[in-house]
Amino acid sequence: QQQVKQSPQSLIVQKGGISIINCAYENTAFDYFPWYQQFPGKGPALLIAIRPDVSEKKEGRFTISFNKSAKQFSLHIMDSQPGDSATYFCAATEDTGTASKLTFGTGTRLQVTL
Amino acid sequence: SAVISQKPSRDICQRGTSLTIQCQVDSQVTMMFWYRQQPGQSLTLIATANQGSEATYESGFVIDKFPISRPNLTFSTLTVSNMSPEDSSIYLCSVEAPTDTQYFGPGTRLTVL
Repeated sequence: QQQVKQSPQSLIVQKGGISIINCAYENTAFDYFPWYQQFPGKGPALLIAIRPDVSEKKEGRFTISFNKSAKQFSLHIMDSQPGDSATYFCAATEDTGTASKLTFGTGTRLQVTL
Repeated sequence: SAVISQKPSRDICQRGTSLTIQCQVDSQVTMMFWYRQQPGQSLTLIATANQGSEATYESGFVIDKFPISRPNLTFSTLTVSNMSPEDSSIYLCSVEAPTDTQYFGPGTRLTVL
């Protein structure tokens, strides 16, 4: 059972455009929602994260929008650049008491064209 | 953020053999995690490794196939045992920061022939 659904699977955006990736979850015990960026041959790198008591978080060109009632969150990349071309994973964390377990979405392959 | 290294970065192995992957962190951490990422896929948690106790395995992963050691607060190993081509994946370790964030190593790309 997939607990975090991510869309689209792939995305092509022109340089300077806005990239939008959406995620939805079902488990209301999730309490931390990070986004990871992964380049080929590399491990995932934390990009930005949000907690459910905040509806939006912005860091530079990257913004997370969070809708707790709808159990949805999204990543917006403003002024997308070719260097942003990577795979993006949303994730959600549940504190089990002994560890915070990450559940990943299926990933979105972003290509930013010139 | 923690700096994490993994060895080897990649390997090609014959079926039926075993490979041990090392994960080293530059600071002491309580929790370390091992993930598998099959080609073109997302990350799946294999197990959680807490120093001084047995690793906790996720559904579908067993200790006989993926034994884990956690001898101290900066190091862990994952062994992939009796390998088959289906084990060809990227294996990643991660560590948990106090803010619930996890930081990942660069991964070990394993190909089983």
